[in-house]
Amino acid sequence: DIQMTQSPPSLSASLGDKVTITCQASQNINKYIAWYQQKPGKAPRQLIRYTSTLVSGTPSRFSGSGSGRDYSFSISNVESEDIASYYCLQYDNLRTFGGGTKLELK
Amino acid sequence: QVQLQQSGAELVKPGSSVKISCKASGYTFTSYDMHWIKQQPGNGLEWIGWIYPGNGNTKYNQKFNGKATLTADKSSSTAYMQLSSLTSEDSAVYFCARGVLDYWGQGVMVTVSS
Repeated sequence: DIQMTQSPPSLSASLGDKVTITCQASQNINKYIAWYQQKPGKAPRQLIRYTSTLVSGTPSRFSGSGSGRDYSFSISNVESEDIASYYCLQYDNLRTFGGGTKLELK
Repeated sequence: QVQLQQSGAELVKPGSSVKISCKASGYTFTSYDMHWIKQQPGNGLEWIGWIYPGNGNTKYNQKFNGKATLTADKSSSTAYMQLSSLTSEDSAVYFCARGVLDYWGQGVMVTVSS
């Protein structure tokens, strides 16, 4: 099974900052990675699929990149509504989530 | 629009089983995998498995073999997950999600308690 190592587990940012989260797969996942935002009590919301394709409705301050085993997700100009937990998901072979990153305000 | 409507919260006793549902609408039910995901309180997301309603094929995370059983009813566009031999470790929110996990149900809270 493919393992996904996500870091950092938590992140503290000020409004307007740029933040980056990374996920490393245990093997090549051929860019089949998606990124999710989850707020308390809600289902996760897909923001990005296939490494860098923004899902309809995702603000342009969100971005993704990577290839092979290594991927990153960034939020430029963090806004208050971005305070949430974020997860990566590989879907190259079955499905595996990263451990999550909790984004908090500094 | 695509919607996944899950059944209500469950309070169940240790050792028992529970079956939760996920009713799909707004797309062709038999054309997409349906996945199930577990989230324990304060924890991350864990993929349980999927079913392809078109032919009933299933695939499970090895961790959930024997714990979860996935089925689907094409006539009602509803996917089901049965959890058996419940313990406190099964207390969690369970989500269904379509295909590349683009659409999600609202989640079902299952509480295992005597």
